Amino acid sequence: AQSVTQLDSQVPVFEEAPVELRCNYSSSVSVYLFWYVQYPNQGLQLLLKYLSGSTLVKGINGFEAEFNKSQTSFHLRKPSVHISDTAEYFCAVTTTSGTYKYIFGTGTRLKVLA
Amino acid sequence: DTAVSQTPKYLVTQMGNDKSIKCEQNLGHDTMYWYKQDSKKFLKIMFSYNNKELIINETVPNRFSPKSPDKAHLNLHINSLELGDSAVYFCASSQYQGSNYGYTFGSGTRLTVV
Repeated sequence: AQSVTQLDSQVPVFEEAPVELRCNYSSSVSVYLFWYVQYPNQGLQLLLKYLSGSTLVKGINGFEAEFNKSQTSFHLRKPSVHISDTAEYFCAVTTTSGTYKYIFGTGTRLKVLA
Repeated sequence: DTAVSQTPKYLVTQMGNDKSIKCEQNLGHDTMYWYKQDSKKFLKIMFSYNNKELIINETVPNRFSPKSPDKAHLNLHINSLELGDSAVYFCASSQYQGSNYGYTFGSGTRLTVV
């Protein structure tokens, strides 16, 4: 079975500072990895995904993530955050075969301070 | 044009009532899902349909019954509502089962049982 751990439930950061949101996963089979963002009172939007190939993945809104197979991590980063990045961020994993069921992490609330 | 639309957006009802939430997608996707997000933002899959066929049915009380009249619609009917059913319910779709394009989510239905 797969699992996803988001190590930080809340991350406060000042505007224009860099941020890293951590995600670790566990799986005995190949996986796809995703980051989603949820703004207040909205559904989830796909930020970026790792399927294969280059371990550094770039997404929307200036976010990027790096897949590290040896550390089973998929951390999300942004070099300079804006107030508008305040939201809940979810890491998700799904297998590349079988039931393809998504497993979501418990979310990290990013709060950008002025 | 809304890609995945859910109605209603808010639903307040008394314990013991029966209610339905509707979901429609205009993306031409084959697979649709229902997720429940609790007060701690934890997302858990409830059901998944692929081209009107039930493919994922998690451990959900049988008071919850999904119905997919066609591949563009996935409705959720809940009988005998309980206080613990209060949550945000998200509908989502993907191009096909196992799609690596990610999910498209609706904006959610906030259900409050009083």
